[in-house]
Amino acid sequence: GAGVSQSPSNKVTEKGKDVELRCDPISGHTALYWYRQSLGQGLEFLIYFQGNSAPDKSGLPSDRFSAERTGGSVSTLTIQRTQQEDSAVYLCASSLALTDTQYFGPGTRLTVL
Amino acid sequence: KNQVEQSPQSLIILEGKNCTLQCNYTVSPFSNLRWYKQDTGRGPVSLTIMTFSENTKSNGRYTATLDADTKQSSLHITASQLSDSASYICVVSDRGSTLGRLYFGRGTQLTVWP
Repeated sequence: GAGVSQSPSNKVTEKGKDVELRCDPISGHTALYWYRQSLGQGLEFLIYFQGNSAPDKSGLPSDRFSAERTGGSVSTLTIQRTQQEDSAVYLCASSLALTDTQYFGPGTRLTVL
Repeated sequence: KNQVEQSPQSLIILEGKNCTLQCNYTVSPFSNLRWYKQDTGRGPVSLTIMTFSENTKSNGRYTATLDADTKQSSLHITASQLSDSASYICVVSDRGSTLGRLYFGRGTQLTVWP
């Protein structure tokens, strides 16, 4: 499979717990993006990586959110002390370069009880 | 404030008809504009990417136009099919930093009826 993959596909957690979401981009894609889509809302841009670097972290909703990318490949989005308003579908995308077509993964549906 | 506004919010058309979706933006400085199609429960799929110098770009039955002076874009769908039912999202990228940032519209929900 050559597409973007994300895991887990679904995650249900209790309020206050930490969660880690994973994204495997298309091999060779230097740019990687994280988005959030809440029910009935549009896509919300969170953060992007060029290689392992994330130059703009201002899209992260709060300091409970962090992301890292290692080896220019896999990325993880970590949400600490989850809140109910964090419930959403978290989408990851990758592109060959920043101005190129972004290919999206299937998303991780996060539900915070 | 950088914003992307799309209209209409939702649209219902009969199969075979044409339709046009609008996107107005205030993002500056402008780098490029993308149109995505998102089926329910799926990730978005890129339809077109347009830079400042491009006025029109086609992808099959989809044709996007861009007027960088008025900061408007449109997505025209020709001879609609039932499979065109989806949310269409306009995304604008700025050049505020060396690597740019993306701004998303809320999308237009298109429903094609048989």
